[in-house]
Amino acid sequence: EPEVTQTPSHQVTQMGQEVILRCVPISNHLYFYWYRQILGQKVEFLVSFYNNEISEKSEIFDDQFSVERPDGSNFTLKIRSTKLEDSAMYFCASSEAWRRGWPFSPLHFGNGTRLTVT
Amino acid sequence: QKEVEQNSGPLSVPEGAIASLNCTYSDRVSQSFFWYRQYSGKSPELIMSIYSNGDKEDGRFTAQLNKASQYVSLLIRDSQPSDSATYLCAVKPRYNNNDMRFGAGTRLTVKP
Repeated sequence: EPEVTQTPSHQVTQMGQEVILRCVPISNHLYFYWYRQILGQKVEFLVSFYNNEISEKSEIFDDQFSVERPDGSNFTLKIRSTKLEDSAMYFCASSEAWRRGWPFSPLHFGNGTRLTVT
Repeated sequence: QKEVEQNSGPLSVPEGAIASLNCTYSDRVSQSFFWYRQYSGKSPELIMSIYSNGDKEDGRFTAQLNKASQYVSLLIRDSQPSDSATYLCAVKPRYNNNDMRFGAGTRLTVKP
């Protein structure tokens, strides 16, 4: 069964450093997402991406975050200057195309990247 | 008001019992509803989706949706210790946006 893959599984970085989290969505999916989950807390929406642009972003997704689809397969999340509070599990997800009036396709999640900022 | 609300639990049931998990949502025009299971340290895994009022059954799982009450539930019959996990309710909150919002999850423990 096709799956979303994320690398690395664990990233340790120092405060103020830049990190790039990588994801390969399911090949025929057109919507891509990043969520994060701070330890013991809920899964929080960061950003959605469609047709090579951000579709929606949450208040968490401030100027230190950016997303990119540099080629036909990868989808990346960059955090420019990491803070201690950025420590979390970051999940990439993808879904099939959605059309107004049709049921929303479920999200398929990767295994996550655990980011630890020291 | 939170967009998606769940009792955090923990909910503990004996093996073989029915586990009942509940979720309410705030956006009345929500159209699509999902239940995910998340084992500790793992990613959310889709269990069921439901779009219409009523019940939807899949094996030991039954999702129930009541849009008038803005309520969705998940029943797990013949609960097994392997069902012990956190169950996340997810809702697509607005008609023309393509993101999904999660509740905080209910932690379920099935005791042998």
